Amino acid sequence: GAVVSQHPSWVICKSGTSVKIECRSLDFQATTMFWYRQFPKQSLMLMATSNEGSKATYEQGVEKDKFLINHASLTLSTLTVTSAHPEDSSFYICSARVSAYSNQPQHFGDGTRLSIL
Amino acid sequence: AQKVTQAQTEISVVEKEDVTLDCVYETRDTTYYLFWYKQPPSGELVFLIRRNSFDEQNEISGRYSWNFQKSTSSFNFTITASQVVDSAVYFCALSEAGYGGATNKLIFGTGTLLAVQP
Repeated sequence: GAVVSQHPSWVICKSGTSVKIECRSLDFQATTMFWYRQFPKQSLMLMATSNEGSKATYEQGVEKDKFLINHASLTLSTLTVTSAHPEDSSFYICSARVSAYSNQPQHFGDGTRLSIL
Repeated sequence: AQKVTQAQTEISVVEKEDVTLDCVYETRDTTYYLFWYKQPPSGELVFLIRRNSFDEQNEISGRYSWNFQKSTSSFNFTITASQVVDSAVYFCALSEAGYGGATNKLIFGTGTLLAVQP
């Protein structure tokens, strides 16, 4: 149980392109989803918290207009990197939690490796 | 402020050795949750364990065991008789108690890369 699917797993695109990453909870409803960014050999950096039906809460320093998050249903959240540039290249990981209570673990997707040329 | 410290950046052991991964945390909350995750080379994070701050009982799951000590703010993870498949980055994480997504985020440590040699 508690499977999170992330798609695509790998994206290579030209600078200036917008890229959409999907995060789905397959066997549970996720009231809260999280988006992380991870640089090589580093820890996860939380970008934003997404609650179904409401606006995402972004961490300090994360550009809202650059990283658009939509949590339209209890099983789907999307992250759109708008007008991506090489510095946006990274490993993006989503996670979902069964409930809004923090005692529940976050279950992670497989991640998306984004390479901007 | 909350903080998680994993002082061991990399550990290398030979198969069948026991290995302990250290985790020290800081928080002002009296109720909080601690987690361990495994990130193999493929990238996905795998949930291993959750511990409540009011439950200091140690836990064993197969070759894995966890030692939680509030007195030293530590939540260490031991792998007994390590195997090559245990090679991964292991993250310790802390979450404050509460309801509502944005206020209960996970604070991750910097991770420990465990390499188990055959």
